[in-house]
Amino acid sequence: DTEVTQTPKHLVMGMTNKKSLKCEQHMGHRAMYWYKQKAKKPPELMFVYSYEKLSINESVPSRFSPECPNSSLLNLHLHALQPEDSALYLCASSQDVGVGYEQYFGPGTRLTVT
Amino acid sequence: GNSVTQMEGPVTLSEEAFLTINCTYTATGYPSLFWYVQYPGEGLQLLLKATKADDKGSNKGFEATYRKETTSFHLEKGSVQVSDSAVYFCALNDYKLSFGAGTTVTVRA
Repeated sequence: DTEVTQTPKHLVMGMTNKKSLKCEQHMGHRAMYWYKQKAKKPPELMFVYSYEKLSINESVPSRFSPECPNSSLLNLHLHALQPEDSALYLCASSQDVGVGYEQYFGPGTRLTVT
Repeated sequence: GNSVTQMEGPVTLSEEAFLTINCTYTATGYPSLFWYVQYPGEGLQLLLKATKADDKGSNKGFEATYRKETTSFHLEKGSVQVSDSAVYFCALNDYKLSFGAGTTVTVRA
């Protein structure tokens, strides 16, 4: 089973709202990732968690706050977002971080900020 | 730094035609190479991978060979179907995934 699940599938939020995106995998992977994808563009890396610790933050604004409660779960907390943050947010996981490890992606959450 | 360059799209083909999507890369180390496919409204699916020079990845009729001498990882399929219509991303993994710009492929019946 190579499934990564994400909820919700769609989310509409105002600029003053607080919401969270959730991601789950049961493959025993120890690395998890958040990406942002704008229309007709490749995914852009936001955060990497390795063994439940944040290992990479790609200079993401503080209105995005990641959390890894355990090795199977990854959250992305959203607060005071801007309309330009509207995008598809993808979660991925891999067995470990490193050259040979392929990443498996979830279906994404399509976020619209109004 | 690492980078991936893919052929510009969009690519439009008829069913049963031969598909090639060119991909070249620049990397300082010895990366693994991947092709991902994204169908409309979905996330990315891993299509195939190669971890070292001369490795050939294959899946669902698609193939790509890791060519170190030409720093290339071109994707090919001998006979495409309408269901192959999607966006294809070439990517390299040298600790972080670096994606190409993506190539949109449309297959007409």
